[in-house]
Order: sequence, then structure tokens, then C-alpha cells
Amino acid sequence: NAGVTQTPKFQVLKTGQSMTLQCAQDMNHNSMYWYRQDPGMGLRLIYYSASEGTTDKGEVPNGYNVSRLNKREFSLRLESAAPSQTSVYFCASSESGSGGSLGTDTQYFGPGTRLTVL
Amino acid sequence: SQQGEEDPQALSIQEGENATMNCSYKTSINNLQWYRQNSGRGLVHLILIRSNEREKHSGRLRVTLDTSKKSSSLLITASRAADTASYFCASGSGNTGKLIFGQGTTLQVKP
Repeated sequence: NAGVTQTPKFQVLKTGQSMTLQCAQDMNHNSMYWYRQDPGMGLRLIYYSASEGTTDKGEVPNGYNVSRLNKREFSLRLESAAPSQTSVYFCASSESGSGGSLGTDTQYFGPGTRLTVL
Repeated sequence: SQQGEEDPQALSIQEGENATMNCSYKTSINNLQWYRQNSGRGLVHLILIRSNEREKHSGRLRVTLDTSKKSSSLLITASRAADTASYFCASGSGNTGKLIFGQGTTLQVKP
């Protein structure tokens, strides 16, 4: 099992360009998450999906869109990249889903995408 | 910000010493988790303690939880150079699996 995979590993964009970060998990998990990590800020949740077909905003959703394509895949799109979106992006998944357990499942993380916006 | 806080922000110790990291959170929780991140890598889950538990052990790790103070601590005993990493606490509530992460403690263990 590969766990959680993310592509690309590195990306450089110019301001105003768009791109999609891809994430896939092979653990049959219900929930998937996108975080950004900035120095001294820990991880901040951008969007999450508690089950296939549902998505919800996290703490910092502005400037991003997401798609839960199927149970395996959860993509993050930057429509018009800005320098403030320079960050390391992590995708994660967990077994729990909406209306299910008390959210006590652990999260499994991908290796991250390092994005620089010039 | 919903984020919790961790202290210290950085900790440097000698191999064999114990390392203690503290975490505070803001809302009622179902569980408190600790994760480890090696430089340039994703986070790896270490241990989970539920809101009705006060202490939990896993190998050289000991976690305590005080829900009245909304705080938790992670103790790593007999530290090794390989323990050098950043450590994050994360609080879980609701039933979506969503977590709120602290800002992390960077631990350096000198051989």
C-alpha cells in the first residue's frame, strides 16, 4: 500500500497562474484533508471532505477550491496564485466520516508539495 | 485563530535526557493526538489520548491530558539523536475527524 500520495512534489508558479495539487489514498478512508504549513504557523486546515461528494471549508479556504473526485482522490486548486500562497501543502486522510465515529481516528499524511509563487 | 499553542517552541537536549513538550487547546475535545514531523517530510501519528483518559504510554512516550486546564504534555524518555524532529499536538472534536494543530515544538537531541 502506498498510503497517501501527492503530486507534484515541487512547483514554482508566477502570480496569476493556476494549478491543481493532486492527492490520492489507497486505505479506503472516508475523510480527506488539505493543510498548508508555514514557518512558525503549524498546520492550518484549508478544506476537508468528510465523505465522497461532500466538502467543507476549514480555517483558511480563501483562494482555494477542492474536488472530491471519488473516494480515493481529493484535489486542491489554486485558480489565480498569489505570493501569499507560497507554502508547503499536505494532504491527509482518516477513516472516520460524517455521522460516523466520534472523530477519534488518526490522520495519515502525504509527503507534501512545496509550492513557490513568484 | 483556532490553533492551539505549544511550548517550548524549541528544545535542545543531550542524548539520554528526557524531553517534555506542552500543548494547550481552546475548545472541548474528543481526543488529543501527537504527531512527529522529520525535516521535509509529512507528519506521522505517535499517540492518541481520549478526553476521558488522563495518561497514556507508548514505548518511550508518555502523554498526559488535563481537560480542566485544556492542556496536554508529551514526555519522551531516554531521548535519542533519532528523536530529533518537530512535534505537534492536534485536538479533535465533532465526528468528522477534523483536527486543530498546535504550532509545534522543534526538538534537537545532541549525540
